[in-house]
Amino acid sequence: AQKVTQAQTEISVVEKEDVTLDCVYETRDTTYYLFWYKQPPSGELVFLIRRNSFDEQNEISGRYSWNFQKSTSSFNFTITASQVVDSAVYFCALSEAAGNTPLVFGKGTRLSVIA
Amino acid sequence: KAGVTQTPRYLIKTRGQQVTLSCSPISGHRSVSWYQQTPGQGLQFLFEYFSETQRNKGNFPGRFSGRQFSNSRSEMNVSTLELGDSALYLCASSLPDYVGRDTQYFGPGTRLTVL
Repeated sequence: AQKVTQAQTEISVVEKEDVTLDCVYETRDTTYYLFWYKQPPSGELVFLIRRNSFDEQNEISGRYSWNFQKSTSSFNFTITASQVVDSAVYFCALSEAAGNTPLVFGKGTRLSVIA
Repeated sequence: KAGVTQTPRYLIKTRGQQVTLSCSPISGHRSVSWYQQTPGQGLQFLFEYFSETQRNKGNFPGRFSGRQFSNSRSEMNVSTLELGDSALYLCASSLPDYVGRDTQYFGPGTRLTVL
């Protein structure tokens, strides 16, 4: 069965600090998809990134970067020079390719960026 | 392109009543999934509809049901409401994908309160 663990329940940082959100996943499938979503106080889940299991290349998008390591089953998310607007709950999610399995989410990490 | 829309945004019901929530996917998206989000259980998958057919179902009682119309709009219904049904109900849409799992884009959610 697939599972996503986000061990950090809450993180608080001061503005301009770098912060890394951890995500560890479990799956028996060889083809799977990993996602990060951001949920601001408004409630809507905002898509940030999708990574396919066969693509281990790390990605950088502005202040955001993602480190995918199959060897440790991790898909960590780093925000560089954090800003107050980054305050939100961040969810890591996993979907297996076989059988149209639904997204399985971690419990989320609440990030508070203090000015 | 307009995003996923959900109506109503807020709803207050009493125990024993039933409720219908509506979701309009992004234009061109044919898959609609529903999720329940609560503080205790996190984000849990309810069901997915594709081409008017339920393609996948989560582990929820039969009081939770849904349907999809020919224009891909979807509704979910909860009958005989219980206090524990109080939650944020999120709808997500994605493009048709027969092989893997396409990215799901979420709406703002409907916050249901059961008194």
